[in-house]
Amino acid sequence: QSVLTQPPSASGTPGQRVTISCSGSSSNIGSNTVNWYQQLPGTAPKLLIYSNNQRPSGVPDRFSGSKSGTSASLAISGLQSEDEADYYCAAWDDSLNALFGGGTKLTVL
Amino acid sequence: QVQLQESGPGLVKPSQTLSLTCTVSGGSISSGSYYWSWIRQPAGKGLEWIGRIYTSGSTNYNPSLKSRVTISVDTSKNQFSLKLSSVTAADTAVYYCAREADIVATISPWFDPWGQGTLVTVSS
Repeated sequence: QSVLTQPPSASGTPGQRVTISCSGSSSNIGSNTVNWYQQLPGTAPKLLIYSNNQRPSGVPDRFSGSKSGTSASLAISGLQSEDEADYYCAAWDDSLNALFGGGTKLTVL
Repeated sequence: QVQLQESGPGLVKPSQTLSLTCTVSGGSISSGSYYWSWIRQPAGKGLEWIGRIYTSGSTNYNPSLKSRVTISVDTSKNQFSLKLSSVTAADTAVYYCAREADIVATISPWFDPWGQGTLVTVSS
């Protein structure tokens, strides 16, 4: 099991807003920033959010991130069918180890 | 823009050493202040960070794999490599290489870009 805890699944209908949580501890999320990755079926992960709430160029503003204490969240508004993917949170711990959440499979109903 | 490509044997026998190379194109592996990482993903499972290397040769490894992992860099070939010894079926996974964000910009770098990944199966 992963040190960062994510729900295994989430779902929503087109146009809805969905949030995915990521829970950690004081030695990882509590003291470092959180990044999020989107993995479409059969492809490599792609950076979606970095430094808690920053979007790389090309990522729609429908995607947003936040962090509070030892938890972080990814929100997707105006859900679209192409958002169906696996989402992973990630953070470093104080021992310079990179940690990933177990991943959340998002289904667009 | 920088692109990464993994290469190496797709089949490794149990107890042997898995060896993969990541070739960096579109830029020099030595330019900037970047760490270069290996990450793996067993079929149907999540991502696991294996370790990373700076172009100076400085490394960090996942404690759960540290005794079996060696990551090295060859700046003349613009490549970095992964060796994982004493492999078992549990090491069967897609292996990705990735660049981390410039450490001058952040102490908590993100992985971007990623290679497309290469499947390594451990089987006799």
